[in-house]
Amino acid sequence: AQKVTQAQTEISVVEKEDVTLDCVYETRDTTYYLFWYKQPPSGELVFLIRRNSFDEQNEISGRYSWNFQKSTSSFNFTITASQVVDSAVYFCALSGGNNNDMRFGAGTRLTVKP
Amino acid sequence: DTGVSQDPRHKITKRGQNVTFRCDPISEHNRLYWYRQTLGQGPEFLTYFQNEAQLEKSRLLSDRFSAERPKGSFSTLEIQRTEQGDSAMYLCASSLAARGYTFGSGTRLTVV
Repeated sequence: AQKVTQAQTEISVVEKEDVTLDCVYETRDTTYYLFWYKQPPSGELVFLIRRNSFDEQNEISGRYSWNFQKSTSSFNFTITASQVVDSAVYFCALSGGNNNDMRFGAGTRLTVKP
Repeated sequence: DTGVSQDPRHKITKRGQNVTFRCDPISEHNRLYWYRQTLGQGPEFLTYFQNEAQLEKSRLLSDRFSAERPKGSFSTLEIQRTEQGDSAMYLCASSLAARGYTFGSGTRLTVV
């Protein structure tokens, strides 16, 4: 069975602080995909990143960075120098090799205060 | 607009009524997915189409729910005899093969 755990329900930081959102997953598949999505107050899910199970290289995109560690089944997401516009619910998700369905974690609500 | 479109954005219905939602995926995407999201939770998978074939259905999809994707283009999700527990955001997504999903803005259903 596939499962995604986001243990942090809510995080509140002050603008310009760095923040890391944790994601731990469980799967029996050898090939799988991991995702992060952002859901701002408007409600639409915005795709941030997709990573396959064979690519453990960390990735950086502007103020965003992702740390994928198969040894600990984690795919953590760090926002550097957070901004108020980063306030949203962030979801980590997992799909099998066929990408037929995606399992989401419960989400982490990030509030960035000015 | 080349994104995923969902209609309507909001629907309020009385318990026991039938409702139908529509999703127009990105035109070149062959896969289409329906998810349901309740308050404070992540989206839950309901069903998946590859072209016009419905290939997978979640246990969450009771016999009151039916989804179609005629001709592999748009899709409809119908809920019959709605119950208050059906109140949720219904999200549609599309993808091309194994790439990342693109989600629509969702249809928020309120059953009163």
